Amino acid sequence: DVKVTQSSRYLVKRTGEKVFLECVQDMDHENMFWYRQDPGLGLRLIYFSYDVKMKEKGDIPEGYSVSREKKERFSLILESASTNQTSMYLCASSLEGVMNTEAFFGQGTRLTVV
Amino acid sequence: AQTVTQSQPEMSVQEAETVTLSCTYDTSESDYYLFWYKQPPSRQMILVIRQEAYKQQNATENRFSVNFQKAAKSFSLKISDSQLGDAAMYFCAARALSGTYKYIFGTGTRLKVLA
Repeated sequence: DVKVTQSSRYLVKRTGEKVFLECVQDMDHENMFWYRQDPGLGLRLIYFSYDVKMKEKGDIPEGYSVSREKKERFSLILESASTNQTSMYLCASSLEGVMNTEAFFGQGTRLTVV
Repeated sequence: AQTVTQSQPEMSVQEAETVTLSCTYDTSESDYYLFWYKQPPSRQMILVIRQEAYKQQNATENRFSVNFQKAAKSFSLKISDSQLGDAAMYFCAARALSGTYKYIFGTGTRLKVLA
């Protein structure tokens, strides 16, 4: 089974802190994604990566950066956490190409910024 | 740009009954995939069903089926013989067949199953 693992289920951070959310997948997927989930807004794409060291901005990249130094790991970085970044963060991965199109998700990280 | 719209924030269904969740989308892509994902209260998002836009036949997976109307850009999910375990958030999503492989999600529908 494909497994996407997020490093923390719950996090509480202070305003202004630098926050790292880690995601690891074990199926050699080329594509990895970070989404933010808020009630009534669904899943909004923050960043995605289609290869090591390659990244593209999603719909809401402001206040976030990402790092993909190894194929299996995709990190989301909040440079200076703010209370409006309190949210559920979901990591996902998928294969490149037109077959096997399913995205696999991690269990989510509930981040609270106080 | 692709957009996905789910107009029903919440739905309820009696156990063993049938319910249909609605989804519309807009895309300029000629080929794409459509998905329904389920997010139970434990939060792990899982795939329920997928539809290739170039296939006219509606996808089915056991009690789950879709009604795909390509011209109308509509992609509804029908759950038959609803079970208590079907209670969850359901998200409709779209992904282009080529180019960047990002998934665009709707805002979700919370399904309650009444015993």
